[in-house]
Amino acid sequence: AQSVTQLDSQVPVFEEAPVELRCNYSSSVSVYLFWYVQYPNQGLQLLLKYLSGSTLVESINGFEAEFNKSQTSFHLRKPSVHISDTAEYFCAVSEFGSYKLSFGAGTTVTVRA
Amino acid sequence: NAGVTQTPKFRVLKTGQSMTLLCAQDMNHEYMYWYRQDPGMGLRLIHYSVGEGTTAKGEVPDGYNVSRLKKQNFLLGLESAAPSQTSVYFCASSSGATGAGSPLHFGNGTRLTVT
Repeated sequence: AQSVTQLDSQVPVFEEAPVELRCNYSSSVSVYLFWYVQYPNQGLQLLLKYLSGSTLVESINGFEAEFNKSQTSFHLRKPSVHISDTAEYFCAVSEFGSYKLSFGAGTTVTVRA
Repeated sequence: NAGVTQTPKFRVLKTGQSMTLLCAQDMNHEYMYWYRQDPGMGLRLIHYSVGEGTTAKGEVPDGYNVSRLKKQNFLLGLESAAPSQTSVYFCASSSGATGAGSPLHFGNGTRLTVT
């Protein structure tokens, strides 16, 4: 069965500093991987996804994630964060052919000036 | 350009009361889902539907029922609310299966408190 572990529950970071959010998944078959962001009092929005091809995927607002099959990881990074990046971030996995998306517990990123 | 709309946004119930949460999507998506979000536990799938007239159980279905009578609507019912059902409920939809790479589109959530 598919599952996701986000290794950090809270990540405080200063504005313009880099940030990395760690995500490991477990599955016995091939998977699709997603990162979602949730701003306060809102629903989740897709940040980026890995389907196939290049293992490095990017979002339009400067985030990137790298799929590492051997380490079963899909860590999210941003080289320089803004105050507006303060949010909760969720890693999610779906096995090929599955109807279900499994989420990690989430990582709260707080960006301070 | 509404996307996924959930009603109501907030609700307070007494133990034993019943209620229905409504989810509507205007993207002609086949798949719809109900999740609950609890602190430190991420989102857990309650029920889902792969098309009009179909429903299936997710990870935490006990105490909930669902119906998908129309393609655009997915209803979540609580027949006898319990304090353990205090949570934020999210509806989502997708054009295809997540296992085919389709991402979910989420509503803004319903915050339910059961006293």
